[in-house]
Amino acid sequence: GESVGLHLPTLSVQEGDNSIINCAYSNSASDYFIWYKQESGKGPQFIIDIRSNMDKRQGQRVTVLLNKTVKHLSLQIAATQPGDSAVYFCAENSGGSNYKLTFGKGTLLTVNP
Amino acid sequence: KAGVTQTPRYLIKTRGQQVTLSCSPISGHRSVSWYQQTPGQGLQFLFEYFSETQRNKGNFPGRFSGRQFSNSRSEMNVSTLELGDSALYLCASRWTGALTNEKLFFGSGTQLSVL
Repeated sequence: GESVGLHLPTLSVQEGDNSIINCAYSNSASDYFIWYKQESGKGPQFIIDIRSNMDKRQGQRVTVLLNKTVKHLSLQIAATQPGDSAVYFCAENSGGSNYKLTFGKGTLLTVNP
Repeated sequence: KAGVTQTPRYLIKTRGQQVTLSCSPISGHRSVSWYQQTPGQGLQFLFEYFSETQRNKGNFPGRFSGRQFSNSRSEMNVSTLELGDSALYLCASRWTGALTNEKLFFGSGTQLSVL
């Protein structure tokens, strides 16, 4: 039979622009969230994390925002570079002390030089 | 410090066979998790091991099993392979010291193709 793949949202930006990638999570009890970057042929690479007692956390060129009211996460990448082109996943720890990450579908970011 | 190491990188099997995948976590990490990644289902949790014990399990059939050794290295096994088992199998490790660290670090995965 025909296989149906996940329809990945895509975001195309120009080099130097800021990028915002959004994610809706499912479990209101999740208390920990992570953003990963996955390049072709590689495993997911940790970018930044945030606990549910925070609204915002900043890293190098990246910022994660958490809105628990609407169960929404966003990843902001400043001055996007071609090397940022990849699939970005958000993940939530939905298992509590029984650690288990539930991943979103991912967003394909393409940076045009 | 070396990252999470998975072997083999690629594997081709036929239906009905079984397969064993290997994972060496980051030095000092005692928790090892396994995930399956497919185009259709995305990234899905298989199981987590800590101190040689399975602590948590995802919604996969009993054909999927794993184990962890005293040096924290882990293996996962899939028996009676089906075409739908074709996927990238990812191993991840995390440090679980006194200050719980939930950052999960992934290996590059084993790409399994079932023919």
